[in-house]
Amino acid sequence: QKEVEQNSGPLSVPEGAIASLNCTYSDRGSQSFFWYRQYSGKSPELIMFIYSNGDKEDGRFTAQLNKASQYVSLLIRDSQPSDSATYLCAVNESPGNTPLVFGKGTRLSVIA
Amino acid sequence: GAVVSQHPSWVICKSGTSVKIECRSLDFQATTMFWYRQFPKQSLMLMATSNEGSKATYEQGVEKDKFLINHASLTLSTLTVTSAHPEDSSFYICSARASGTNEKLFFGSGTQLSVL
Repeated sequence: QKEVEQNSGPLSVPEGAIASLNCTYSDRGSQSFFWYRQYSGKSPELIMFIYSNGDKEDGRFTAQLNKASQYVSLLIRDSQPSDSATYLCAVNESPGNTPLVFGKGTRLSVIA
Repeated sequence: GAVVSQHPSWVICKSGTSVKIECRSLDFQATTMFWYRQFPKQSLMLMATSNEGSKATYEQGVEKDKFLINHASLTLSTLTVTSAHPEDSSFYICSARASGTNEKLFFGSGTQLSVL
């Protein structure tokens, strides 16, 4: 069964530190990878996407993809209390209009 | 990013009544929309894939006669929870892909359903 695995957390980091969120996936043929942020009681919001091996930076966020090891990670630099949320990793395993496969999410708590 | 509008944001209804939730893609056409359900502190659960002009594809364990999906146009999909019961109380979220966005999925704001 195709799966996306994340540590449920909570992951607690002090304000200003780097938060590192990890995700592994089972389907080696997966094409594209996404990170969503979900605040409590709200719907998920797309914050990063990555398609190629390596790093992709956007502001304080860096997504890292290693297809050989089948993992994708999200780094949040200079973490802020407003970053406290659940972060969902999602994988598109095949092209076209197939649903993304979501992990269960990692809860991040940034302590002021 | 593409905008997906979902209404209502919350609804309270009596047991046995039906509730309709609308999902619109505002600035793009969506041939496919996805409906999710999320219980408190749990992960997203895909309910069904809604295809414009054809029948929806339901995930295993989701009752198609209870959760009616209609995707009559390229910008609108509706989910009707029929004969709602308290156990149907949940956060329902729709999502859609905009073509040419490399398969990015955009979510509506969600509907919190409470069945009394």
